[in-house]
Amino acid sequence: QVQFVQSGAEVRKPGASVKVSCKASGYSFSTYAIHWVRQAPGQSLEWMGWVNAANGFTKYSQKFQGRVTFSRDTSASTAYMEVSSLRSEDTAVYYCARDPNYYAFDVWGQGTMVTVSS
Amino acid sequence: QSVLTQPPSVSGAPGQRVTISCTGSSSNIGAGYDVHWYQQLPGTVPKLLIHGNSNRPSGVPDRFSASKSGTSASLAITGLQAEDEADYYCQSYDSSRNGFYVFGSGTHVSVL
Repeated sequence: QVQFVQSGAEVRKPGASVKVSCKASGYSFSTYAIHWVRQAPGQSLEWMGWVNAANGFTKYSQKFQGRVTFSRDTSASTAYMEVSSLRSEDTAVYYCARDPNYYAFDVWGQGTMVTVSS
Repeated sequence: QSVLTQPPSVSGAPGQRVTISCTGSSSNIGAGYDVHWYQQLPGTVPKLLIHGNSNRPSGVPDRFSASKSGTSASLAITGLQAEDEADYYCQSYDSSRNGFYVFGSGTHVSVL
């Protein structure tokens, strides 16, 4: 079945960076874009942007432009999200998700908790 | 603040019908973009419940239905069950510079 497996929880100090991975299986990785969505504790979902799994093209929400980098490795069927200059407000669960070309997210990773604390 | 507005909570007794509204604007729902709905059970990953305004993915009970009109959309749960207690989020696409994919503020459904 189609699934995404994300890397484990991370703890970082303010100002540091973190890189989260998302390994896909069960479908042709290059077919669909991979999106990243985060959810701060007790808060709603927040879309961060996406990476075209086929050609690596990226699109970022204005809020994260310049501080977040998406990438992918097609040979490993894996997408990556790196967040730099972390601050406490970045403490959240980060999800990767697939958009099967209808502007919705049909498959989600299990989430990666990123805690930013001094 | 979320681009799409939902009531923070709704509640109902088992068997009742509840509805959740999702209010947007002329740059998202009102522009004709589809609305999708997600269910997030406590401590779990969001699950796609409705896509394309009113389409249920395979496996989603027909107790869940949704519609869209103008700048708003709504999700209805009929025959409310205990396992429906969860957070529900609407989502659409927004053509403004605030972002491209937008989520609602979320609604917690409580089963009394």
